[in-house]
Amino acid sequence: DVKVTQSSRYLVKRTGEKVFLECVQDMDHENMFWYRQDPGLGLRLIYFSYDVKMKEKGDIPEGYSVSREKKERFSLILESASTNQTSMYLCASSPRQGSINQPQHFGDGTRLSIL
Amino acid sequence: EDQVTQSPEALRLQEGESSSLNCSYTVSGLRGLFWYRQDPGKGPEFLFTLYSAGEEKEKERLKATLTKKESFLHITAPKPEDSATYLCAVQFRRALTFGSGTRLQVQP
Repeated sequence: DVKVTQSSRYLVKRTGEKVFLECVQDMDHENMFWYRQDPGLGLRLIYFSYDVKMKEKGDIPEGYSVSREKKERFSLILESASTNQTSMYLCASSPRQGSINQPQHFGDGTRLSIL
Repeated sequence: EDQVTQSPEALRLQEGESSSLNCSYTVSGLRGLFWYRQDPGKGPEFLFTLYSAGEEKEKERLKATLTKKESFLHITAPKPEDSATYLCAVQFRRALTFGSGTRLQVQP
C-alpha cells in the first residue's frame, strides 16, 4: 500500500513565523502535491511537483513556497504565517501519468493553527 | 472556468436506504474523474477512477458511473460504516480540481 506521511498532525504557530510542513512518500512516486482544505471550499491546490527540484504553482500559491530536494520528500513553507493560513493541509502523491492519469494518494493531513 | 459541483451537500439515510450522490462538471478535455472517501480527521481515501462516458466501477455497496457531464456514486443498502464525506475530483490538465463533497450519514 502507498504510504504518505505528514510530519505533524497538529501544529500551532504565531503570525509572522516561518513554518515548514513536511511530507514523505514511500512508493517512488514522481508527482507530489500540497492542498489546503477549508469548510465549504473543498480542497484547493497550492503547489505541485513532477520531479526533483521542479515545482509548479497551483490555484492558491500566494504566501507559500515549496521545496523538493529528494524524490520522496516535498516540503511546504509558509514564509510569514498569517491567520488566514489556518487550515488543514494535505499532501498527496501519484506515479508519473504517462497516457493514463493515476489517482493521487493522500496523507492524513496537518491541522495548522496560526495565532 | 473549469468547475466541479457536488450535490447534495449533506445526505442522511436510514440503514438499507439506497441513494445516489451527484458530481457535475464543466470541462474542456476531461482526463479522468476520481471518487474519494474522507473520514473525519483523515486524508481522502481513493475509491474509483472513471475515464470515459459510459464507464462503471463497483466496490462492495458503491457503484460509480460517468456521463459526458456528470458522475453518480450509487450507494446500495448502506450501512452506518459508510458514513463519511465523499469527494469527487476531475483532472482537466495536470492537476485535480475537487468538488466540495457530500457528507453522508447513515443511521442504524
